[in-house]
Amino acid sequence: DAKTTQPPSMDCAEGRAANLPCNHSTISGNEYVYWYRQIHSQGPQYIIHGLKNNETNEMASLIITEDRKSSTLILPHATLRDTAVYYCIVNSGGSNYKLTFGKGTLLTVNP
Amino acid sequence: DGGITQSPKYLFRKEGQNVTLSCEQNLNHDAMYWYRQDPGQGLRLIYYSQIVNDFQKGDIAEGYSVSREKKESFPLTVTSAQKNPTAFYLCASSLGGGLGLRNTEAFFGQGTRLTVV
Repeated sequence: DAKTTQPPSMDCAEGRAANLPCNHSTISGNEYVYWYRQIHSQGPQYIIHGLKNNETNEMASLIITEDRKSSTLILPHATLRDTAVYYCIVNSGGSNYKLTFGKGTLLTVNP
Repeated sequence: DGGITQSPKYLFRKEGQNVTLSCEQNLNHDAMYWYRQDPGQGLRLIYYSQIVNDFQKGDIAEGYSVSREKKESFPLTVTSAQKNPTAFYLCASSLGGGLGLRNTEAFFGQGTRLTVV
């Protein structure tokens, strides 16, 4: 599976959009991009995933570049409860299906 | 309500003792996973299972053992051979583990914090 690179930390003002970047330059054609987040001392929570088209759900939007080498998770109106570690994961499934989590980005939403 | 349950939430054991962490899911998921998380670190995969009676080693399997006798259960045993067992352990499950079922998300339990003294 392709590796991902994320900034270790970011800050965002409450009510503003939070844009979290992820680089996955070695992604292959059958690999999906997933985003999870983990609030302190809890289990990770699924946010969104996509293959090549932009995706939106009730939690966030996912923008994937045309060459698929990077993506951005957008939280349109960040709240204090969005403070968490955000993980970007690339996964292809198949016989070696498993999720590989890096260190993620600690997003701190400030009042 | 459907979900994935880990128990207990906190566990204390003496050094040299084996301990088993429970993970149960009623989501009818085929795939289940165990992760370990140390302070300030990401998740590291210990074992995973794509189907009943089958499981595979992850990146840090040494000192751990698992079984998958039932679809809904995937217990993890931390043995005395694990040199640094104190950690936060997370169990997860997902719908598919094989070809054609890649675009599914994983559901995580709330974790078990194991402290070995």
